[in-house]
Amino acid sequence: QQPVQSPQAVILREGEDAVINCSSSKALYSVHWYRQKHGEAPVFLMILLKGGEQKGHEKISASFNEKKQQSSLYLTASQLSYSGTYFCGTDMYSGGGADGLTFGKGTHLIIQP
Amino acid sequence: NAGVMQNPRHLVRRRGQEARLRCSPMKGHSHVYWYRQLPEEGLKFMVYLQKENIIDESGMPKERFSAEFPKEGPSILRIQQVVRGDSAAYFCASSPVPGDIGELFFGEGSRLTVL
Repeated sequence: QQPVQSPQAVILREGEDAVINCSSSKALYSVHWYRQKHGEAPVFLMILLKGGEQKGHEKISASFNEKKQQSSLYLTASQLSYSGTYFCGTDMYSGGGADGLTFGKGTHLIIQP
Repeated sequence: NAGVMQNPRHLVRRRGQEARLRCSPMKGHSHVYWYRQLPEEGLKFMVYLQKENIIDESGMPKERFSAEFPKEGPSILRIQQVVRGDSAAYFCASSPVPGDIGELFFGEGSRLTVL
């Protein structure tokens, strides 16, 4: 079941904040966030495991609410380099790798000077 | 440590031909995943392999598509008798642990165009 991401696209000015949401209709074990620039490979940002944790990575952080089966990615004081498409990937299994991640359709983030 | 290497980067085939996409995982990585990406779509899981074994091929079409990851050499995604709908970017990712608990390292992708 593909997770649903919102918004589909967002345009910001440098220095502004953004929130990208990812929700699933099924119980999740983990949520993964990746960023892909046009024509390039997706690059890993972070993993959040079941347990409602929150993680941070420079000015990019994320939360995972397992009860709501939702995760949010927070980008604060956005920089031009943050532009790209953000994907959340979800997994319903508790380890063992019996299933590949299921990715959402992505959120396009455009940062303008 | 070189990253995940995919080749060819671009491949053009006529309908009915075969396409072979190769993926060399990062050194020390025994878990390989193949994903397909269409414009404005997410990465769609196709198959998950460990050395010499297919662990999960639930995302791969039953016909014309096959994947392998031999003991020696790269992982190969093979598409027989290609059709226009196979045109897409195919990404390979590798990891040292199962991808649901660790980071996936993606290659640059192979872009298949079917004429």
